[in-house]
Amino acid sequence: GAVVSQHPSRVICKSGTSVKIECRSLDFQATTMFWYRQFPKQSLMLMATSNEGSKATYEQGVEKDKFLINHASLTLSTLTVTSAHPEDSSFYICSAPRDRASDTQYFGPGTRLTVL
Amino acid sequence: DAKTTQPPSMDCAEGRAANLPCNHSTISGNEYVYWYRQIHSQGPQYIIHGLKNNETNEMASLIITEDRKSSTLILPHATLRDTAVYYCIVRVGGGNAGNMLTFGGGTRLMVKP
Repeated sequence: GAVVSQHPSRVICKSGTSVKIECRSLDFQATTMFWYRQFPKQSLMLMATSNEGSKATYEQGVEKDKFLINHASLTLSTLTVTSAHPEDSSFYICSAPRDRASDTQYFGPGTRLTVL
Repeated sequence: DAKTTQPPSMDCAEGRAANLPCNHSTISGNEYVYWYRQIHSQGPQYIIHGLKNNETNEMASLIITEDRKSSTLILPHATLRDTAVYYCIVRVGGGNAGNMLTFGGGTRLMVKP
């Protein structure tokens, strides 16, 4: 079946540093990927839609200059949290549909970010 | 996408059927019912989806009422590994809505020995 991976699975960083999270589709190409954020005991919230070869589309309230998204290839999207602060500590999850007509999403295992 | 309502939590005995309800009274004719689940500290996992007919796969069955205003996900023989948050999501299918998913609160299913 389709698999989506994320790296790293867990990261701890100091306040003010930047952190890059990778999302890869392992056995299929994804022209679109989605980035979600999940705070403890809450549901997933869509942050942005990553589009291969074009700019990402951000949800209302998500700072595009803080959460940089790059979708440089058909199998890789990266989310960079710039100048991270403790309030950015969260579980970040990516997903991708297997193809444009697919009704189902494949999710990565998530990346837990802790900012000290 | 139509709003869904699910009970916040449910318990189920191991080996018994788990029946998870979902209300979606404002569902439109071209909207599908999707179910995903999220085991603690993992990414969500697709379970099943349907438009109006009942569906069954190796994981679960989906029963949709005739008026499509509600549905039930059935795990026929729940195991401890089925403990998770189950999300019922209603959205336009067929790749027409950018494939994005909007998650509600879900139902936290606790399967007990």
